[in-house]
Amino acid sequence: NAGVTQTPKFQVLKTGQSMTLQCAQDMNHEYMSWYRQDPGMGLRLIHYSVGAGITDQGEVPNGYNVSRSTTEDFPLRLLSAAPSQTSVYFCASSYRGLADTDTQYFGPGTRLTVL
Amino acid sequence: SQQGEEDPQALSIQEGENATMNCSYKTSINNLQWYRQNSGRGLVHLILIRSNEREKHSGRLRVTLDTSKKSSSLLITASRAADTASYFCATDAIDSNYQLIWGAGTKLIIKP
Repeated sequence: NAGVTQTPKFQVLKTGQSMTLQCAQDMNHEYMSWYRQDPGMGLRLIHYSVGAGITDQGEVPNGYNVSRSTTEDFPLRLLSAAPSQTSVYFCASSYRGLADTDTQYFGPGTRLTVL
Repeated sequence: SQQGEEDPQALSIQEGENATMNCSYKTSINNLQWYRQNSGRGLVHLILIRSNEREKHSGRLRVTLDTSKKSSSLLITASRAADTASYFCATDAIDSNYQLIWGAGTKLIIKP
């Protein structure tokens, strides 16, 4: 199993450009999420999905869109990049337990710089 | 807003010593999880403790949970250089709809 994969590893954008960060998992996990991590801070949830066709907003959703057409893939789209979106982005997946959230498996991250 | 707060923010100890990190949170939880992040890498799950558990062990790791004080501690015994990393707690709050809330982390440095 490859686990959770993310592409690209690094990306530089100019203000106003759009792009899609790819995330895929091969563990048949129902739950997938996108986080951003800024220096000295913990992870902040951008969007998450509890299954194919279902997405919801997290703590910091503005400027980002997601879709979940398959169980495996959960792309994150930056609509019009801004310098404030410079960050490291992590995708994670987990089995959706009946009562609570199970262990999350993380991808290696995408380091995004917006000039 | 962040639910979990780790303490201390940074910790530097000699190899072989024990390292203790604490996490406090604000609301009732289903479980609390600890993760490790090596520099520039993704997070790796260490241990999950449920709200009805008080202590859990995994190798050199010992986690305690005190729901009355809304706090948890992670103890790493006999530290090694390879334990140098940032450690994060994440809480699965009741009625959070499967969203984990993360603390800012403790940066642990093990000196050889």
